[in-house]
Amino acid sequence: NAGVTQTPKFQVLKTGQSMTLQCAQDMNHNSMYWYRQDPGMGLRLIYYSASEGTTDKGEVPNGYNVSRLNKREFSLRLESAAPSQTSVYFCASSERDQPQHFGDGTRLSIL
Amino acid sequence: QKEVEQNSGPLSVPEGAIASLNCTYSDRGSQSFFWYRQYSGKSPELIMSIYSNGDKEDGRFTAQLNKASQYVSLLIRDSQPSDSATYLCAVNSGSARQLTFGSGTQLTVLP
Repeated sequence: NAGVTQTPKFQVLKTGQSMTLQCAQDMNHNSMYWYRQDPGMGLRLIYYSASEGTTDKGEVPNGYNVSRLNKREFSLRLESAAPSQTSVYFCASSERDQPQHFGDGTRLSIL
Repeated sequence: QKEVEQNSGPLSVPEGAIASLNCTYSDRGSQSFFWYRQYSGKSPELIMSIYSNGDKEDGRFTAQLNKASQYVSLLIRDSQPSDSATYLCAVNSGSARQLTFGSGTQLTVLP
């Protein structure tokens, strides 16, 4: 069982470049989430999608956009990458009020 | 601002001892509480969930919840070196049921 799959696992970008982080889940969950994790700061919610067709801002949405492509897939896009967006990005999925299941993460460095 | 506070540690305990991890939260409307374990370089892994006041036991782990005091804790009995990790407290609240994470407590179990 794959669970939550994120691609790519590692990426290095130059300032100003754009890229899309992909996330897919096979647990038939309605809700999906994107977090970033920086040293000493825990996980911070960037965007979430409570159900297919809806997306909402989390705690730190600036500089990001998302697309809930279908029930399985939720992508995160950086339109113009900045060094402050260097982080580890986690995608997660869940049903309402149930525990979230996380992907393995994408380690993103922006030079 | 919904907040979840944890003692960042590091917390060191000898093998076989009880490790006690604590978490407080600010949103009185919170209804679901989770403990995740995160090994270095890995994604968060759910170890306990608790929804009502009192204790919940699962093997060597016990979660304790006191909603009146806005306090949730995790006890790890007979601690093993393999328990060495960062433990994240997460609280699910608000109409959208977003998860808010604490910054984590780093636990080291000494052989």
